Amino acid sequence: GESVGLHLPTLSVQEGDNSIINCAYSNSASDYFIWYKQESGKGPQFIIDIRSNMDKRQGQRVTVLLNKTVKHLSLQIAATQPGDSAVYFCAENIRSSGSARQLTFGSGTQLTVLP
Amino acid sequence: DTGVSQDPRHKITKRGQNVTFRCDPISEHNRLYWYRQTLGQGPEFLTYFQNEAQLEKSRLLSDRFSAERPKGSFSTLEIQRTEQGDSAMYLCASSLRGQYNEQFFGPGTRLTVL
Repeated sequence: GESVGLHLPTLSVQEGDNSIINCAYSNSASDYFIWYKQESGKGPQFIIDIRSNMDKRQGQRVTVLLNKTVKHLSLQIAATQPGDSAVYFCAENIRSSGSARQLTFGSGTQLTVLP
Repeated sequence: DTGVSQDPRHKITKRGQNVTFRCDPISEHNRLYWYRQTLGQGPEFLTYFQNEAQLEKSRLLSDRFSAERPKGSFSTLEIQRTEQGDSAMYLCASSLRGQYNEQFFGPGTRLTVL
């Protein structure tokens, strides 16, 4: 079936370097793609979203890139800090069979920031 | 703290018992969601409320699961006749009307079924 998935389960980066977390999706009908961050013992936290008709969107220290040709999504984190260590999930917003929308999450990438 | 709260944070029960979890959303959020999350996986959608109306239920939500939001504020999720496969983190989230992407999650209730 259609799903959202991730290329790599773990990623380690040096503090201060840039991080790139990748995600592949298969559902072309998704209207939005979203990145969430989940720290240990906490619920997921919204980072940034991008509409399907956009290629790039920037936030504070984060950039999301969307390549619809290859159905690929990435999250770039500039100057990675220890507080960025977490599991990152990509998610897609899709209208379900009813009128409601729901988020479908991928399986996550563990980002570890090394001192 | 004005975030989403969940109670209890941890629940250990024996197979066959019933359990009930509570979620208190952010007060001005009229949308409330329940998810289930197993180790290493992303949250899986279970059900969704707009005010007190339950508008969507996942096929993951078997007949043993029931959720309510009687006054459009807090919500409860009950699991009857628990099974070991029900062991997971149960997450609640809330959002403003019309805002689907930015959901505010609670810390979750970790259920262990022995």
